[in-house]
Amino acid sequence: QKEVEQDPGPLSVPEGAIVSLNCTYSNSAFQYFMWYRQYSRKGPELLMYTYSSGNKEDGRFTAQVDKSSKYISLFIRDSQPSDSATYLCAMKDSWGKLQFGAGTQVVVTP
Amino acid sequence: EPEVTQTPSHQVTQMGQEVILRCVPISNHLYFYWYRQILGQKVEFLVSFYNNEISEKSEIFDDQFSVERPDGSNFTLKIRSTKLEDSAMYFCASSVGDRYNEQFFGPGTRLTVL
Repeated sequence: QKEVEQDPGPLSVPEGAIVSLNCTYSNSAFQYFMWYRQYSRKGPELLMYTYSSGNKEDGRFTAQVDKSSKYISLFIRDSQPSDSATYLCAMKDSWGKLQFGAGTQVVVTP
Repeated sequence: EPEVTQTPSHQVTQMGQEVILRCVPISNHLYFYWYRQILGQKVEFLVSFYNNEISEKSEIFDDQFSVERPDGSNFTLKIRSTKLEDSAMYFCASSVGDRYNEQFFGPGTRLTVL
């Protein structure tokens, strides 16, 4: 079983819709959870960073962590064509090494 | 806004040659990392570095790989004798601390081994 599972998509949504992304994980030692956005052939850009169960909101982005179910989500409200990218979940235990999901490709159509 | 920079953006080399990929982490960061991403695959951890020592490395980071912080600003990844399967995007990242702090990534170096 992979440590971090993420549906690769692609996920296509119309402009203005809510984008819903999620990852599951198997390692209960993971304590820190991140979402990165990656445009084609570019480096991952940090969007959200959380370390406790619950919701964290930043502008149009909401990150949700459920440690009991080993499940994390990212929601993007009022999606724009510029949100079209690959979204990577990443997580780590108490040390620095990040474990990434495969990434979900999101396409927001005008 | 401070950012991680990497050079070159694209490196083409012949199999068996040595390559050095360079990174300049964010200036007040103390922890440095290298990751790689083979085309179409997920980002994979290679190595972490703190206080001039490797703190953790993956099984990918074998004897062909080495890292160095030759001065106060640069952080390098050397691949001694490149193989075809080393072709990938290599990302440098840095963070202020280790456990609790976000890692910020550079734009990557695309390595093509012919």
